[in-house]
Amino acid sequence: SQQGEEDPQALSIQEGENATMNCSYKTSINNLQWYRQNSGRGLVHLILIRSNEREKHSGRLRVTLDTSKKSSSLLITASRAADTASYFCATDAWRDDKIIFGKGTRLHILP
Amino acid sequence: EPEVTQTPSHQVTQMGQEVILRCVPISNHLYFYWYRQILGQKVEFLVSFYNNEISEKSEIFDDQFSVERPDGSNFTLKIRSTKLEDSAMYFCASAQDRGSEAFFGQGTRLTVV
Repeated sequence: SQQGEEDPQALSIQEGENATMNCSYKTSINNLQWYRQNSGRGLVHLILIRSNEREKHSGRLRVTLDTSKKSSSLLITASRAADTASYFCATDAWRDDKIIFGKGTRLHILP
Repeated sequence: EPEVTQTPSHQVTQMGQEVILRCVPISNHLYFYWYRQILGQKVEFLVSFYNNEISEKSEIFDDQFSVERPDGSNFTLKIRSTKLEDSAMYFCASAQDRGSEAFFGQGTRLTVV
């Protein structure tokens, strides 16, 4: 299975601190995407990083990809209460027409 | 900004009944997907659809499920005879191309009673 596995499963940090979530996967991938899901709501696309990229930024988000270790990290800087959500990595492989999700990290930003 | 829209947002149905979940993907997208998420669990792939046919499906997507793109804008998921365990949030997604960003709708919460 190519599915990603995030760690930690849950993370609580103080507002203003940085949050780092990790994702590991098992097989070679084409792309890796990160999504946010607020409780009971839809999946919001955050960022896509391709297998030939090592780092990508979008606002307060920084994503890294290490294909040799089959892992990715999502860093949220200067966290805010509104960042409280579950975060998922999702991978797709060459020639596959599916995107496989990990189990997610529940992030809670404490006021 | 273009978005994927799903209707209804919540559907309650009796066990054994047929349900159709509807999705309007982003207009210039070519790849379409259905996923489900049982409460508190992971997001599971059901099926992908390209060029008017299923391109890949999971073990969950058995004969009770079917998908259709009836009119070039809507993309539907039909569950023929619902079971209690079909209760979940169902998400539709679309992507411009294989390997490009996949955008998800807000989901339909299906409750089978």
